[in-house]
Amino acid sequence: GAGVSQSPSNKVTEKGKDVELRCDPISGHTALYWYRQSLGQGLEFLIYFQGNSAPDKSGLPSDRFSAERTGGSVSTLTIQRTQQEDSAVYLCASSETGRAFFGQGTRLTVV
Amino acid sequence: AQSVTQPDIHITVSEGASLELRCNYSYGATPYLFWYVQSPGQGLQLLLKYFSGDTLVQGIKGFEAEFKRSQSSFNLRKPSVHWSDAAEYFCAVVETGGFKTIFGAGTRLFVKA
Repeated sequence: GAGVSQSPSNKVTEKGKDVELRCDPISGHTALYWYRQSLGQGLEFLIYFQGNSAPDKSGLPSDRFSAERTGGSVSTLTIQRTQQEDSAVYLCASSETGRAFFGQGTRLTVV
Repeated sequence: AQSVTQPDIHITVSEGASLELRCNYSYGATPYLFWYVQSPGQGLQLLLKYFSGDTLVQGIKGFEAEFKRSQSSFNLRKPSVHWSDAAEYFCAVVETGGFKTIFGAGTRLFVKA
């Protein structure tokens, strides 16, 4: 597609459930990032994929969070046993060199 | 470690007044520098970028930014703020020739009538 696509755009889930957030990056972009923006907070880096290299997972807040990127394209961010503090907008971005292109985000609400 | 600092969490300016949002980075070489804006309910939008050359760069919506190597700064400016400029602004850095983008924590801009 023409841009970075994320789905779903909104997700409401019950505390304790698992959720999967999907990101389709721009075709050909080797770098893919996940960020989180909590209410009133700035962007928080979560994880970074670059080509076939091992991902940089340094930003994942706990072992409930994981992400994978299949075939160097689509990425899925999984949050297990969701907690209320996981409520945020999860942003995906991809880039080739320099500029990052962002998706519209997935707004996750844990009730 | 590379880092980007936006020292102002939020700023309030009057409509029509000038604006300067501060950004400092920590990196050995001159990185690529960006400013993004996020309006309420929208994704991030690129305002401007600096790769090399003229240190004063012009962006969209009347914004400009000046790269100052001696101060490791890339401050964003606008001579006259409009109410529609109220948003969150993010400074970002990419190491030269690299891919990973490092964002500042953001500055929220409030515009009062």
